[in-house]
Amino acid sequence: QSALTQPASVSGSPGQSITVSCTGTSSDVGGYNYVSWYQQHPGKAPKLMIYDVSNRPSGVSNRFSGSKSGNTASLTISGLQAEDEADYYCSSYASSGSYVFGTGTKVTVL
Amino acid sequence: EMQLVESGGGLVQPGGSLRLSCAASGFTFSNYWMHWVRQAPGKGLVWVSRIKPDGTRTDYADSVKGRFTISRDNAKNTLYLQMNSLRVEDTAVYYCARVERWFDPWGQGTLVTVSS
Repeated sequence: QSALTQPASVSGSPGQSITVSCTGTSSDVGGYNYVSWYQQHPGKAPKLMIYDVSNRPSGVSNRFSGSKSGNTASLTISGLQAEDEADYYCSSYASSGSYVFGTGTKVTVL
Repeated sequence: EMQLVESGGGLVQPGGSLRLSCAASGFTFSNYWMHWVRQAPGKGLVWVSRIKPDGTRTDYADSVKGRFTISRDNAKNTLYLQMNSLRVEDTAVYYCARVERWFDPWGQGTLVTVSS
């Protein structure tokens, strides 16, 4: 199972909006509405930010939103803040019965 | 509060074995699929294995199939990963996670270093 493709880095200024893409195939991202997104700060465990494409867990800021079109899912962070600087990973259920993660995106707040 | 705590990591020589444990609390462990995910130093997250709530089905990434065995003890609320024939490329932080289509919560991770 190949990793989902994410841009290596995305940056933005405080207050701006940025979007992180996650591209897979019809056997994973395109085939199921089971895409989730994780935030990981250095030395910490990943934290769930979005599940089932566009749902936010309790406690996650509404500045984070998710969507999907075809084989590509997207995470948008609006009103970018310094604390949003972290690595972000997407994940999807795959037809093989396994799960696959994205290659990861480093978000930098300028 | 839901919590997962991994243990059992350490330094092992290539070809050696190690067993990781993941103690769960704060939720009904026996109702959930449980997974292992690893992250090599400076690299991304990689799915490793999963086990059905009753333990009757397991799945593995191709890179560990035949070498790693996932298991669980629902009476002890504990997940395990038996790792045999370890390779240098298995060096990583290993996380356990509860999964219902999404991974949450995660443990803090345990570092496995395979080196001579």
